[in-house]
Amino acid sequence: AQSVTQPDIHITVSEGASLELRCNYSYGATPYLFWYVQSPGQGLQLLLKYFSGDTLVQGIKGFEAEFKRSQSSFNLRKPSVHWSDAAEYFCAVGPLNRDDKIIFGKGTRLHILP
Amino acid sequence: KAGVTQTPRYLIKTRGQQVTLSCSPISGHRSVSWYQQTPGQGLQFLFEYFSETQRNKGNFPGRFSGRQFSNSRSEMNVSTLELGDSALYLCASSLGEGAGTDTQYFGPGTRLTVL
Repeated sequence: AQSVTQPDIHITVSEGASLELRCNYSYGATPYLFWYVQSPGQGLQLLLKYFSGDTLVQGIKGFEAEFKRSQSSFNLRKPSVHWSDAAEYFCAVGPLNRDDKIIFGKGTRLHILP
Repeated sequence: KAGVTQTPRYLIKTRGQQVTLSCSPISGHRSVSWYQQTPGQGLQFLFEYFSETQRNKGNFPGRFSGRQFSNSRSEMNVSTLELGDSALYLCASSLGEGAGTDTQYFGPGTRLTVL
């Protein structure tokens, strides 16, 4: 069955520290992969997406993610977090055909220590 | 280009009532998807509409329904509200051309509280 796992429900890092949020997926083939961010009371904003090609993807707000086929992972990274990065982050796998739907992980809430 | 808009942003209803939520997609987008987000269940897919036709449906009871108009605007309706329907309802629009290249853009959501 298709699924997305974000193993960490909460993560706390200090401002200025590096960040890595984990995402693992189970899919019949290499899916399309997304990371979204949701600030409190807001909708989801697309950070970055991977369709094919270079496995290191650059996104907005200084985020990047690396697709590792052998590990079925698509981890999100940022070298130095800012207090404004505190939010909930969702990994998602996109459908390979029109009849399927996008599947979201449960999310990882990021807390930033001053 | 204007983003996805949802109205109203907040709603308070009582059990047994019905509610209609509205979503206006990004101009040119033909697909609208609806999600329910709760702290316990996370993001759950409700349904997707494309060119006025329901293309996909999640595992929700028949009390949840939707429709899409010729201008791609969409509404979802929940009848006979239950306390458990309290949630943030998110709408997302996309071009609708299919597959994963079809990035979804989300609206700010409608916060529904059922008392």
